[in-house]
Amino acid sequence: GAVVSQHPSRVICKSGTSVKIECRSLDFQATTMFWYRQFPKQSLMLMATSNEGSKATYEQGVEKDKFLINHASLTLSTLTVTSAHPEDSSFYICSSGGQNEKLFFGSGTQLSVL
Amino acid sequence: AQSVTQLGSHVSVSEGALVLLRCNYSSSVPPYLFWYVQYPNQGLQLLLKYTTGATLVKGINGFEAEFKKSETSFHLTKPSAHMSDAAEYFCAVSSGYSSASKIIFGSGTRLSIRP
Repeated sequence: GAVVSQHPSRVICKSGTSVKIECRSLDFQATTMFWYRQFPKQSLMLMATSNEGSKATYEQGVEKDKFLINHASLTLSTLTVTSAHPEDSSFYICSSGGQNEKLFFGSGTQLSVL
Repeated sequence: AQSVTQLGSHVSVSEGALVLLRCNYSSSVPPYLFWYVQYPNQGLQLLLKYTTGATLVKGINGFEAEFKKSETSFHLTKPSAHMSDAAEYFCAVSSGYSSASKIIFGSGTRLSIRP
């Protein structure tokens, strides 16, 4: 079945550095990719919607200059956390629309900023 | 606008007992409703979904949910809990299920199973 592959699964970085998270749709084309963030013991919060070949749409309160989203192809979307700070530490998950009216989620990336 | 409310952030049941996780929604358009399960440090897995048609929806792992429009509810149930059911469960609502439709998640309910 269709799968969304998300990498890395876990990353630890120093404050001030940038981290890139990749989501790939393995056997289907993802016109749209959603990026969510989940803080401990909280629900998933939609950060942005990326569409292949166009600018991402960010939810209110999400800094577009800090969370750079690129969706250059139908199989790859990336989220870059720029100048990461400890408060950016969170679990990030991508999802795409796909076949059979089902959204496919990546396995998530646990980001820890020291 | 759409929203989801999950009643109870933590539910604990004994192994073999009935599981009931509550979800109420608000939607200005006919909703599409979902239940997802999340195991530690993993992504979300779809348990079941309601789009149109039969209001009682059966999902994986023995779970089912009933869409009750009059009560704006979509509670998740399982007749007999297993230890492997311990996880975080999220109810979600969407206005559609195309690749461009946003999903709004509830705050989640952590299910614990007592031996």
